[in-house]
Amino acid sequence: ETGVTQTPRHLVMGMTNKKSLKCEQHLGHNAMYWYKQSAKKPLELMFVYNFKEQTENNSVPSRFSPECPNSSHLFLHLHTLQPEDSALYLCASSRDRDPPYEQYFGPGTRLTVT
Amino acid sequence: GQNIDQPTEMTATEGAIVQINCTYQTSGFNGLFWYQQHAGEAPTFLSYNVLDGLEEKGRFSSFLSRSKGYSYLLLKELQMKDSASYLCAVTDGSSNTGKLIFGQGTTLQVKP
Repeated sequence: ETGVTQTPRHLVMGMTNKKSLKCEQHLGHNAMYWYKQSAKKPLELMFVYNFKEQTENNSVPSRFSPECPNSSHLFLHLHTLQPEDSALYLCASSRDRDPPYEQYFGPGTRLTVT
Repeated sequence: GQNIDQPTEMTATEGAIVQINCTYQTSGFNGLFWYQQHAGEAPTFLSYNVLDGLEEKGRFSSFLSRSKGYSYLLLKELQMKDSASYLCAVTDGSSNTGKLIFGQGTTLQVKP
C-alpha cells in the first residue's frame, strides 16, 4: 500500500464511451502525475500537476482530459478512445515537483478499449 | 534528443550478484532514479542518484557517472522475490516540470 489509490482497477470501454479514472493520494503531496504503460514500451509521462496547476502535457491527444480539483485528487477523463489506447494507466504523487522527489505510484487502471 | 537504454532481460541465480546497467542521453540532467516493478503491481522507489558515486542501501546499490551518462543497479544475495522489472528513469533537467523519462525496463528472473 503506497498511499495512492486508483479506481477502477479494470475498465473496458467502447470507442464511443466516456469514462473517468480517479486517483487519490493520502500522503500530503503537492505534485501528481499520470503515466501510460503499454506492453513492451517504456513508462510514458502524460501529465504533471503541481499545486493543482498543470505543468506538463506531454503531447497527449485531446481525447485524454485531466482534471485536478485539489492536491489530493486527480482525474483522467476519457472520450472517443482508440484501441491503441489500451494500456495500464498509473497515477503517482510526490512531495513536490522540484527538486526531484521519489514518486509513489498507485496500482493502476487496466484499460481495454474495444 | 533523450534516450535511455537498459537490457531487456537478465537471468541470475538465487544468492548471486547481478548488475543492471543503464545508459542515458538527455538534454538536461537532474538525477537518476531506479524503480522496481513486480508483475501486475505499481513501480516502487529503490534509489536516487544525483552526484557521481555509489549509494548503498542494504542489498541494493546504485552507481552514477554523469560524465559517462551511465548508471547501474547492483543487487546482492539475490532472492526469488527480486524477480521483477527494474526501471531506470532520468529527470529532464531542461525543464522544471517534474518530468521523468523512463527506460523500457529490465526484466530480471531469479532462478533457484
